[in-house]
Amino acid sequence: KQEVTQIPAALSVPEGENLVLNCSFTDSAIYNLQWFRQDPGKGLTSLLLIQSSQREQTSGRLNASLDKSSGRSTLYIAASQPGDSATYLCAVNQEIQGAQKLVFGQGTRLTINP
Amino acid sequence: NAGVTQTPKFQVLKTGQSMTLQCAQDMNHEYMSWYRQDPGMGLRLIHYSVGAGITDQGEVPNGYNVSRSTTEDFPLRLLSAAPSQTSVYFCASRGYPSGSYEQYFGPGTRLTVT
Repeated sequence: KQEVTQIPAALSVPEGENLVLNCSFTDSAIYNLQWFRQDPGKGLTSLLLIQSSQREQTSGRLNASLDKSSGRSTLYIAASQPGDSATYLCAVNQEIQGAQKLVFGQGTRLTINP
Repeated sequence: NAGVTQTPKFQVLKTGQSMTLQCAQDMNHEYMSWYRQDPGMGLRLIHYSVGAGITDQGEVPNGYNVSRSTTEDFPLRLLSAAPSQTSVYFCASRGYPSGSYEQYFGPGTRLTVT
C-alpha cells in the first residue's frame, strides 16, 4: 500500500530564508507527483506537477525535484516571504486496483516570520 | 474559467438528515472525484468518476452516494448524516485517461453533523 510521508510536520523560519520541504513515498510506480498549497479554511492550490519521467519543475521561487527510484521529492522555496505561510501537501498519482488515484501526505505547516 | 466550484460553503445537519453537496467544473474534465479532509487523517478519496455514467468507490465510500449524468457535474449525496461525517469535503477534477494530468480542487464544503 502506498504511503506518503512529509517531514517535518511543522516548520517556522524567519523571512528571507531558503527552505526545503520533504516528501517520501514507498511505491515508485507513480504517474506523477503534485505539490499543493492550502491556506487555512481554503481549498488546495496546485503549485507544481512533476511527471514520473521528469527530475524537476520550477515556477518562480519554487523548485520541486523528484527521485523516483529513492521515493523522494523536495520542494525548495527561495527567499521565503510571510505570504508563503500555509500548509504544503504532496500527493502521488498512481494506479490502485485498476484506477488512478491520488495519495496524499499529511502536509507540512510552514510559518514565515517577518 | 471558473474552474471547480462547490456549494454550499458551509452546512450544518442533524443526525439522520440527508443532503447533496454540489460540484461543477467547466474545464471539460472527464475525471472527477470527492475527498474528505480530517485532522490527523489527511485527504481520503470517497468516490470518483471517469466520465458521465461511470462512477466507482474510493477509500471511504460508506454513507455516500454519487452519480454522474453530465461531464460538468458530480454531486455527492449523504444518505443519512452521522456525526462521523463531520468533515471538510473537496471536489477535484482533471483530464483522463492519461495519468499525467494535473488535478484541480474546489474551495471545499465544511460540513458539521450534530
